[in-house]
Amino acid sequence: SQELEQSPQSLIVQEGKNLTINCTSSKTLYGLYWYKQKYGEGLIFLMMLQKGGEEKSHEKITAKLDEKKQQSSLHITASQPSHAGIYLCGAPLMSGNTPLVFGKGTRLSVIA
Amino acid sequence: GAVVSQHPSRVICKSGTSVKIECRSLDFQATTMFWYRQFPKKSLMLMATSNEGSKATYEQGVEKDKFLINHASLTLSTLTVTSAHPEDSSFYICSASTQRGNNEQFFGPGTRLTVL
Repeated sequence: SQELEQSPQSLIVQEGKNLTINCTSSKTLYGLYWYKQKYGEGLIFLMMLQKGGEEKSHEKITAKLDEKKQQSSLHITASQPSHAGIYLCGAPLMSGNTPLVFGKGTRLSVIA
Repeated sequence: GAVVSQHPSRVICKSGTSVKIECRSLDFQATTMFWYRQFPKKSLMLMATSNEGSKATYEQGVEKDKFLINHASLTLSTLTVTSAHPEDSSFYICSASTQRGNNEQFFGPGTRLTVL
């Protein structure tokens, strides 16, 4: 079965610093979603990547999917306290309307 | 984007009672919806696939008689936790796809169930 490994599991950064979270798949990805979650709350959609080599940015967050479509990274520039939360990567099990398998998440804390 | 709602957002119940959670696609029709469960400090795990007009398919280890799923219309799926116990306390979240374009999954806001 497909597994998504996220690293690091947790991260504490000083406000203003950059950071990167990685998501690695055991199989070729049909697509890759990034979400943010506050504890006990729903998922906030960040970005979806589908093509090898694709890169998307929104405000200070950039996500990339490698050419082989097995690894994605999420990069936050000049982190702020509002970036704190749990970041989850998720991927469809196959093409079409299928559920997502999720990584275990990366807990980000941003300290002043 | 498409909107998926869940009701209730939070529920507290006594052990042994049943709880129904609704998942609605507000501006699109969904023949398939997915139910996930998230335990504290854990990731989301797929519980079952809800199919409109037919039986749900359950993931290994999920009891179909305990977690009843009914997908009676193209915009509503319900998950009923029967005879709930404290170990069923969790965050339940559903998703659906418009099935247009890239099959993007849209998630509901989740339901936090606490069983006393």
